Amino acid sequence: NAGVTQTPKFRVLKTGQSMTLLCAQDMNHEYMYWYRQDPGMGLRLIHYSVGEGTTAKGEVPDGYNVSRLKKQNFLLGLESAAPSQTSVYFCASSWKRETGELFFGEGSRLTVL
Amino acid sequence: GENVEQHPSTLSVQEGDSAVIKCTYSDSASNYFPWYKQELGKRPQLIIDIRSNVGEKKDQRIAVTLNKTAKHFSLHITETQPEDSAVYFCAASLPFSGSARQLTFGSGTQLTVLP
Repeated sequence: NAGVTQTPKFRVLKTGQSMTLLCAQDMNHEYMYWYRQDPGMGLRLIHYSVGEGTTAKGEVPDGYNVSRLKKQNFLLGLESAAPSQTSVYFCASSWKRETGELFFGEGSRLTVL
Repeated sequence: GENVEQHPSTLSVQEGDSAVIKCTYSDSASNYFPWYKQELGKRPQLIIDIRSNVGEKKDQRIAVTLNKTAKHFSLHITETQPEDSAVYFCAASLPFSGSARQLTFGSGTQLTVLP
């Protein structure tokens, strides 16, 4: 039982390049989320999904796209990376119930030059 | 939307002393308040949470208190140990409506326990 797994763990991009972060969970969770973590700003929600085939915008969605083609996977895409997207990205998942606990992945550190 | 402010941003305590971290929230409809701990280079993990129908909750050395009137909640850690050193995040969430629970996080507190 791996929990929530993110790939890649580290990536360096040049401005304008594109990339995709993959999140996979094996807990059969309905809900999945992408957060970014910046110094002094806590965790901010980028996009989330309430089930296979659904996505919704969070607090800071601009410059990102997501897809949830399979229940266990949630992809975060950057079509044209900008230096402002340099951050640590965390995927999380949770049950569809009141409990609300988020299970986080280990994080992906992205640097845009 | 919800806004969560967290203080202090850094906190140093002597081993064995207590530590208190405070958060305020803006939306009186928020009803769920979790605390996450993030050790250096690791993922955030839930350590305790409280719902708005409860004023206080304890789990061994950690406790959380909630004052709905003042819209603030606090994390209390007693008998601190070196392994308590980490960044702590508070969060607040509006009532669960069948859609994904959207947490608004505070900016984090770096707790350092000095030996």
